[in-house]
Amino acid sequence: DTGVSQDPRHKITKRGQNVTFRCDPISEHNRLYWYRQTLGQGPEFLTYFQNEAQLEKSRLLSDRFSAERPKGSFSTLEIQRTEQGDSAMYLCASTGESEAFFGQGTRLTVV
Amino acid sequence: AQKITQTQPGMFVQEKEAVTLDCTYDTSDPSYGLFWYKQPSSGEMIFLIYQGSYDQQNATEGRYSLNFQKARKSANLVISASQLGDSAMYFCAMRVERGSNYKLTFGKGTLLTVNP
Repeated sequence: DTGVSQDPRHKITKRGQNVTFRCDPISEHNRLYWYRQTLGQGPEFLTYFQNEAQLEKSRLLSDRFSAERPKGSFSTLEIQRTEQGDSAMYLCASTGESEAFFGQGTRLTVV
Repeated sequence: AQKITQTQPGMFVQEKEAVTLDCTYDTSDPSYGLFWYKQPSSGEMIFLIYQGSYDQQNATEGRYSLNFQKARKSANLVISASQLGDSAMYFCAMRVERGSNYKLTFGKGTLLTVNP
């Protein structure tokens, strides 16, 4: 396994459009996290899955955001009716007992 | 709720010197893990080191070591023999490890600059 994979790496979209990002975690990791990071800031927690169960959602995750992890494998993060404030790096991480690896992120630009 | 504090927005170190990046944390849970990440200008988050709250010894990974002082709730990262390639943003993070609560919470980061 080569690590956590995110797709796409970059996404430019017009305001009001929907976007969907995908994360493929390390196969033996059952916990998966989504974070958002804006310039100069630390990653902000969005949501977290243990297997297919979404166990916690941040208040940052408005009703325009939805995340799924069907069958406890890959995960998707969808943003509906994008706004310019959604422009950020979206990071996915998967964790084992004593490690937590991130993907390379999806950089979203809303124009 | 857990909280991570990194009080050094920026640090400078001379190449080949050691540097300590500070991290304090706050949690009432007895079972937790502490992580350090490096984020170079390219943007990827690189996992460096992990320390569990019940680990008896400080974690070490190559040139990285974690100075874990449980009573003081500190988990400082020590980088020995700094290299120019160590210049990056460094984040400390904590994960409470109890039941279903495994959220990973980050500090605001420290920007390390290694001078030649």
